[in-house]
This record gives sequence, structure tokens and C-alpha cells, in this order.
Amino acid sequence: EVQLVESGGGLVQPGGSLRLSCVGSGFILSDYYMDWVRQAPGKGLEWLGRTKHKPERYVTEYAASVQGRFTISRDESQSSLFLQMNSLKTDDTAVYYCVKGGGPHGPSDFWGQGTQVTVSS
Amino acid sequence: DIQLTQSPSSLSASVGDRVTITCRASQGIGSYLAWSQQKPGKAPELLIYDASTLQSGVPSRFSGSGSGTDFTLTISSLQPEDVATYFCQQVHSYPITFGPGTKVDF
Repeated sequence: EVQLVESGGGLVQPGGSLRLSCVGSGFILSDYYMDWVRQAPGKGLEWLGRTKHKPERYVTEYAASVQGRFTISRDESQSSLFLQMNSLKTDDTAVYYCVKGGGPHGPSDFWGQGTQVTVSS
Repeated sequence: DIQLTQSPSSLSASVGDRVTITCRASQGIGSYLAWSQQKPGKAPELLIYDASTLQSGVPSRFSGSGSGTDFTLTISSLQPEDVATYFCQQVHSYPITFGPGTKVDF
């Protein structure tokens, strides 16, 4: 059974940093693209970035809104995905989801339960 | 960036009704479109990918069609557990984008 468990969310001040973690089980992380997607309160879904699988050397694509501030990384030995978030703004307040993708042109096919990030002074 | 629009933004229907939701892309995306369902307070779940392929475990009352720029999600007979917001997602090119969602209730 596929599972994704996020952690690391919380309250942070504007300008601060936070690192989210996601542990995957029930599948081999290195075989799949992995996404981060967020959802601000009462809003829709915003794709943040995608790290490709091992055959494509984990190349990562980012949304313009987070390029240069957010970094996606993996630790395959721990079946983990990370989202390092720097220079946080109040607009970054959202639930952050770790999502398993397929391959090229594959959809976001399995979502974690999400972790809340609140940016506020 | 490829923009996705959905219509309607919300709808009210009755149990057993046939429900149709439309997603339009700002440029052609082939069949690289997925539909997901998000129930209140829950994470989204994938329903359909490649425009018309039903994800494993998803009830057959859900179906998808379309290609290019115009796509449709159909629920053939609405059930109480289908109360949710439905999002389309294009995976044709980066950045990946989502539609704004269609809220379905009774």
C-alpha cells in the first residue's frame, strides 16, 4: 500500500525558513517523479515543483512563484522527499502536499495528507 | 504557461443525476489531462488520467473525454459520496497547472 507522510510544517515568521519532509512507503521512490503541491486556505491547488526519477537524474522543475526560494531534494536511502523553503512570505501560508507522480507526462497520482505551514508575525 | 479554466465553478445536483464538468486549456495539450477529486478536509485523489483512463479503484460512473483543448469529466449517476471539488490538471508541459476547481454538492 502506497503511503506518503509529510512533516515539518508549523508557524514561521515572514523571512524565515522551513524544511518539509515526506516519507514514502509501498513503492520505490527512485522509480517515480515526485511533486510538491500547496493549497492556500479556501483556494485551489498550486503546483510548486517536480523532481524526476533516477533515470533522469532527479532533474527538478519549479513554478516561477517559488523558483530560487524553494528547493526540492531527495534522500533515497530514507525514501524521503524534502522541500526547503526560504524567504517565506505570508502568501506562502497553505497546506503543503507531497505527491507521487508517474513518469513523463504522468499525473499527480497519490497524495499525502498534507502539512500546514503558516507564515505570520 | 498553460491556463486551465473549468465550468461551471459550482453546481447543485440530485442523487442519480448525470453531471458534466468541462475543462478548457489555453493551448493544445494532447491527452495529457488528469482529473482529481477533493472531499472537504481531505487530500485530493486521482480519478482519471490521460484524459480518459480511469485510475484503479475509481467507480465506473466516472468517465473522462476530450483531447487538445477541451475536456469533460462526467459522473453518470451522482452519489452522495461524490460531494467534492473536482480539479483538472495538465501535465503536458511545465509548469504543471491545475484548473480552479468545480464544487459539486446537493
